[in-house]
Amino acid sequence: KQEVTQIPAALSVPEGENLVLNCSFTDSAIYNLQWFRQDPGKGLTSLLLIQSSQREQTSGRLNASLDKSSGRSTLYIAASQPGDSATYLCAVSRSGDMRFGAGTRLTVKP
Amino acid sequence: EAQVTQNPRYLITVTGKKLTVTCSQNMNHEYMSWYRQDPGLGLRQIYYSMNVEVTDKGDVPEGYKVSRKEKRNFPLILESPSPNQTSLYFCASSLSSVDTGELFFGEGSRLTVL
Repeated sequence: KQEVTQIPAALSVPEGENLVLNCSFTDSAIYNLQWFRQDPGKGLTSLLLIQSSQREQTSGRLNASLDKSSGRSTLYIAASQPGDSATYLCAVSRSGDMRFGAGTRLTVKP
Repeated sequence: EAQVTQNPRYLITVTGKKLTVTCSQNMNHEYMSWYRQDPGLGLRQIYYSMNVEVTDKGDVPEGYKVSRKEKRNFPLILESPSPNQTSLYFCASSLSSVDTGELFFGEGSRLTVL
């Protein structure tokens, strides 16, 4: 059974710092990995999707990497801003089956 | 506006009283799915549907039913709700299959079962 783990569970950084969020999964037979953002009381918004054949994806200040063989993904946020404060979740999929991590709650202090 | 719409957004009910949470998307997406979110457990998939009339169990299907009679709608049915089904529920959709596509989420439905 696929297990997805995110470390750390919470992270607090000053504005302007670069930071890395980690995601690991136990079964490397995935089709893709997505990173999501969730604001309090809201649904999830997809940030980046990496197909299993890809190694990384970039969108603005965000860069996500995928090492399928080792079961790891990282989300790199450059020059963090208070507006980046949210919970970040990763999820892996295979044939419609989706497994999520519990998320990392990020606080960026002004 | 492209969106996934869930109703109701908030509901308090009592044990055993059947309820349905509706989900509708206006993006002509083939894939739809339901999740529940509980503190410390992240999101867990309940059921998913790759297309009309095709549904499959996710990680935690017990106590739930779904149907996909039309492409745009994917209702979640709790035949006999119990307090352990108190949770925040999310519906999501993807263009073709989640294996290749970005997942779009609704705003969530907070359900309390007394």
